[in-house]
Amino acid sequence: EAQVTQNPRYLITVTGKKLTVTCSQNMNHEYMSWYRQDPGLGLRQIYYSMNVEVTDKGDVPEGYKVSRKEKRNFPLILESPSPNQTSLYFCASSLLATRSNEKLFFGSGTQLSVL
Amino acid sequence: AQTVTQSQPEMSVQEAETVTLSCTYDTSESDYYLFWYKQPPSRQMILVIRQEAYKQQNATENRFSVNFQKAAKSFSLKISDSQLGDAAMYFCAYRGLSYGGATNKLIFGTGTLLAVQP
Repeated sequence: EAQVTQNPRYLITVTGKKLTVTCSQNMNHEYMSWYRQDPGLGLRQIYYSMNVEVTDKGDVPEGYKVSRKEKRNFPLILESPSPNQTSLYFCASSLLATRSNEKLFFGSGTQLSVL
Repeated sequence: AQTVTQSQPEMSVQEAETVTLSCTYDTSESDYYLFWYKQPPSRQMILVIRQEAYKQQNATENRFSVNFQKAAKSFSLKISDSQLGDAAMYFCAYRGLSYGGATNKLIFGTGTLLAVQP
């Protein structure tokens, strides 16, 4: 089954304790991205990747890191989480879109709480 | 920069009735896509319908249809014969195609929470 798998689904941590949210897709997609969802703000892009070793900032990259060492994986790293990073996080992937509309596949979300 | 505005934080509809969710956007691009996503309590993001800006005809998907007014930059979603399973958060989203459009980046509105009353 084609899917984007995020883990964990729920995570509670404390300020400053490094954490990684994993994202993996089985569709051989070049494009992967991370969004955060906050009440009253909708979803905002954090980082994206066009292919292995190619990553770039989205609209809200501060406090986050990503890596793309393999095509299927795109982990989101919070090296020193703070309470303002409490949010619902989504990973998404697709084929490279160019000028066509490539469907964006979303993971099931990770609810992060930073105390 | 492109923006998407959903001015109705919450709406309610009776089962079997019709409801329209509003969305406006701002862009200087002429070529783009617009989407409506549904997010039920499971938090899954489900694509409901999409519209290509160059197409004049409004998109429809079963009970879901859009009213796309390009000049007014308006993109509303109409849900006909509402069902209890339609209760969810609905997000309007924009994707521009400038600069090659290679980044499949979506710009989302703030969402409208739809309640369906039995």
